[in-house]
Amino acid sequence: QLQLQESGPGLVKPSETLSLTCTVSGGSISSSSYYWGWIRQPPGKGLEWIGSIYYSGSTYYNPSLKSRVTISVDTSKNQFSLKLSSVTAADTAVYYCARSLDGLTKFDYWGQGTLVTVSS
Amino acid sequence: QSVLTQPPSASGTPGQRVTISCSGSSSNIGSNTVNWYQQLPGTAPKLLIYSNNQRPSGVPDRFSGSKSGTSASLAISGLQSEDEADYYCAAWDDSLNGGVFGGGTKLTVL
Repeated sequence: QLQLQESGPGLVKPSETLSLTCTVSGGSISSSSYYWGWIRQPPGKGLEWIGSIYYSGSTYYNPSLKSRVTISVDTSKNQFSLKLSSVTAADTAVYYCARSLDGLTKFDYWGQGTLVTVSS
Repeated sequence: QSVLTQPPSASGTPGQRVTISCSGSSSNIGSNTVNWYQQLPGTAPKLLIYSNNQRPSGVPDRFSGSKSGTSASLAISGLQSEDEADYYCAAWDDSLNGGVFGGGTKLTVL
């Protein structure tokens, strides 16, 4: 059974960089046909797609976040990561990592999510 | 303001049929498939419908999806109390070159 687990600091200061890692177990991140994505959800609000990466390294980013986002993959560790720079309180959210199949919005496996709060 | 528009709320009584709409444009729903997610309180979203009308293994056939033009719908028949959740539609947007979600619909079972 595929499992995804987010990890990283739960508190980030304004203007700093948010860094999260998603560890994939029960399957290989290098499998073809899959993209690996990040989605966030501010408290009490809806879902927002942040971006996705293929195991080869090709990426797609939300245009509204593109200037601040970097998603990378480490196939040797079966992990992929998110970096979001220059964070503000508006970036406070639960961050989910997920696998997408047959496209970039069909997320069939999700991590449990991790709350990241931006505050000084 | 979400690219895909959903009603913020919907409700029904047990056993009823409820539909949730998702309105988009030619660059997203009009040219790409729609996926639907169910999010129970305090949990990660779960894929409910993919490719407009396909159910993943384990999803009851009470849930169905459809698409017409630039709109899509999720229908839940034989409503049950455990269906009380938030529902989101999602699609790829060719103009934005990115994924977009609807704002979500909170379903209440009365």
